[in-house]
Amino acid sequence: DAGVTQSPTHLIKTRGQHVTLRCSPISGHKSVSWYQQVLGQGPQFIFQYYEKEERGRGNFPDRFSARQFPNYSSELNVNALLLGDSALYLCASSQWRGQSAYEQYFGPGTRLTVT
Amino acid sequence: GNSVTQMEGPVTLSEEAFLTINCTYTATGYPSLFWYVQYPGEGLQLLLKATKADDKGSNKGFEATYRKETTSFHLEKGSVQVSDSAVYFCALIFRGSNYKLTFGKGTLLTVNP
Repeated sequence: DAGVTQSPTHLIKTRGQHVTLRCSPISGHKSVSWYQQVLGQGPQFIFQYYEKEERGRGNFPDRFSARQFPNYSSELNVNALLLGDSALYLCASSQWRGQSAYEQYFGPGTRLTVT
Repeated sequence: GNSVTQMEGPVTLSEEAFLTINCTYTATGYPSLFWYVQYPGEGLQLLLKATKADDKGSNKGFEATYRKETTSFHLEKGSVQVSDSAVYFCALIFRGSNYKLTFGKGTLLTVNP
């Protein structure tokens, strides 16, 4: 079975630009979460989506937004990029109900570099 | 708020040595606890989990026991291999947190042959 997939793998952008990152969850998983991992730190929660609705938001500015599609894939958008947005962006998928809902499975990430 | 504290790294061991990576947490209630592993250039892999007090999670020779009295979830392995070299993250999910994982800062493990 395919795991969580993310695209692109790497991305280089200039300050002030906009970026869109994409994620496809594990088949059968209906919830997608996004995390930002700055070098040398643990991942920080950005968003969680289920059934196309935002179910949770971390402490990130409004420049960060996301959405989920009917096939449960998701996009993370970041506007007006800053140097500090350079990080590995991780997508995780999980089931929504039951004890398994607490198990999140991560994709390989998108490495974003802002210059 | 909820938080996870891991022992400072890096940790360097010889092959077949015993590994312990300490993890303690602060949470209002009883979270589920996890260890994730991140190999160089890759995303995170779920290594093991425990959902209630005294549960022991285990996988690939790694173990961790959920200790409510000490709010700890220390990772152990009896005999490490070079292939275990990676960054290890302790994490928690707390009911009511919208399934948000809270991670520690990670511990870099290097195993030398």
